[in-house]
Amino acid sequence: SQTIHQWPATLVQPVGSPLSLECTVEGTSNPNLYWYRQAAGRGLQLLFYSVGIGQISSEVPQNLSASRPQDRQFILSSKKLLLSDSGFYLCAWSVLDRGGNGYTFGSGTRLTVV
Amino acid sequence: SQQGEEDPQALSIQEGENATMNCSYKTSINNLQWYRQNSGRGLVHLILIRSNEREKHSGRLRVTLDTSKKSSSLLITASRAADTASYFCATDQRELTFGKGITLSVRP
Repeated sequence: SQTIHQWPATLVQPVGSPLSLECTVEGTSNPNLYWYRQAAGRGLQLLFYSVGIGQISSEVPQNLSASRPQDRQFILSSKKLLLSDSGFYLCAWSVLDRGGNGYTFGSGTRLTVV
Repeated sequence: SQQGEEDPQALSIQEGENATMNCSYKTSINNLQWYRQNSGRGLVHLILIRSNEREKHSGRLRVTLDTSKKSSSLLITASRAADTASYFCATDQRELTFGKGITLSVRP
């Protein structure tokens, strides 16, 4: 069965420090992968999506970046965190022929920048 | 940019009552999806309705889609305290775009 792992669950980082959040998917090949951010009391904002290894599309210009070094690995990074980067980060995957299954989300990472 | 917009923003009902949540969107879609999020957790996919479908059922869930009005509704029948969560509609075009969500509280 397909599963998605996202870690860490919570993270407190100082302003100006680097960031690396990792997401891996099991049980499927060539998934579409996504990073979303959810600010407190807000909806989800799509940050990056990837349709294949090394293929990254950015939806929102900011100091974050994403990489897909392997088919089922998606990494969200920052060289220098800002206070405004605080939020709940969610990784998700889908397949091209989504059928009725929608997207599958990870459990999220709560990032607090202090 | 935000595509879906849910209504109401918050809903409080008694256990056993039905909960109706609405979603409006702006552009054409391939499908519309509803998700549930428990506090501090990831999103769970509930149901997907395609643009050529008008109504879909899954257990206690009933979703309708009116593409002429660019709107959808999610009905949860015979609500339970465990249904307490935030509910999001999301429209699927090139990628999934979410609304801000509806906070549903079901009082035991």
